[in-house]
Parts: sequence; C-alpha cells; structure tokens
Amino acid sequence: DTGVSQNPRHKITKRGQNVTFRCDPISEHNRLYWYRQTLGQGPEFLTYFQNEAQLEKSRLLSDRFSAERPKGSFSTLEIQRTEQGDSAMYLCASSLVAGQETQYFGPGTRLLVL
Amino acid sequence: ILNVEQSPQSLHVQEGDSTNFTCSFPSSNFYALHWYRWETAKSPEALFVMTLNGDEKKKGRISATLNTKEGYSYLYIKGSQPEDSATYLCALGNYGGSQGNLIFGKGTKLSVKP
Repeated sequence: DTGVSQNPRHKITKRGQNVTFRCDPISEHNRLYWYRQTLGQGPEFLTYFQNEAQLEKSRLLSDRFSAERPKGSFSTLEIQRTEQGDSAMYLCASSLVAGQETQYFGPGTRLLVL
Repeated sequence: ILNVEQSPQSLHVQEGDSTNFTCSFPSSNFYALHWYRWETAKSPEALFVMTLNGDEKKKGRISATLNTKEGYSYLYIKGSQPEDSATYLCALGNYGGSQGNLIFGKGTKLSVKP
C-alpha cells in the first residue's frame, strides 16, 4: 500500500494523559499536513511541514500540541495533558508541492478522551 | 472568518436517482477548489481539483462545475448507487495566500438506498 498511513487508528485515553500519533506520508511527498475533525464539522487545519520544517501552525494548535517531522519523512503529533475537548478525528495528508496539488489523506486516528 | 458552506447537510436518495450538492465560498482571492469523498472508516478520497472559472470535471458518474465569480461549485452524481453513500467535502486551497492548507466545508452526507 503506497498511500498515507496513520497509527493508531483508534486511541482511548484518560484526561490528563499524553498521546502520540504517527503519520507516514506517501514517500516522495515533501509536504505533510495535520487536520482535526470534530463532530459535525469539516476537517480543520492544524499545522504543516515542508520536508522537516514546520512552516505554519493554526491558532487551534495550543501549547499542549506539538508536531515533528524528523528527517522529513514520517511525522508525529503529540498532545500533552489531554482534555475531553481534544476528542476528535486527527487526519494527516501529504502532497508533492503547494498550490493546487492534491492532498492525499490517511484514514485518521480517532481519539476519545474520557 | 472565512466560511465554506455546503448544502444540503444530508441527503437521502433512492438507487438510480441523480443528485447534486452545492459548495459556496467567497469569490475574492480564489485559488483552487477541492472535492473529496469520505466513506466511513476510510481515507478521504480526492475527486477533483478545480481552478478556473467555468471548469467542468468528470470522473465516472460524478461531475463538478465551478463558478469563481459568484463563488460556488456544484457536484453532480448521475444514477446514484449504494456505494456512492459517503460524506462529500469541498475545500478551498491556498485561499488568500495561505501556504497550502485546505479550508473545508462541513460536508454533505449522502445516503443511497437500494
């Protein structure tokens, strides 16, 4: 499978715990994006990388969120001290370049914070 | 706040019916419009990227049109099949000079009954 993969697919955690998600983009894609979708909403942009550089962060990305993309390959998104409001689907996408290039999405990680 | 509006929110049709949805967006600073289909438990699938006023694109029984001057796009499905059941999302790309993140609508959820 040469598509975007995400792990885990589901995560249940208790409030206050830290969680980390992983995204493996399509191998030749230099751009990687993180989005979050909450119930009844469309996906909302969180952050993106071009190679290993994090170039933009949304105001939705609070101090408890951190994303990395070491060596410009896979990316991780960590949420510290999770809150119930963090419960959402976290989507990763990758693309070749900016502009109108299609972003290819992974299946997402569904997080439930109890 | 930039709003991408989609209507209707949900739609129930019988197999064989043709249907269409609307995506509305601000007409100024337009760069690109993306359509995605998202089936439950799967990755969002890219359908079309449209950039020019008057663009029409087709993929099998699905087609889309774009009017950038009045700020809307239509997605048409001819002869709906149960496998067309999904949420259809539209998204603006590179709006206002942003660096490539997509701004999504809330989606139209289509259910096709056999």
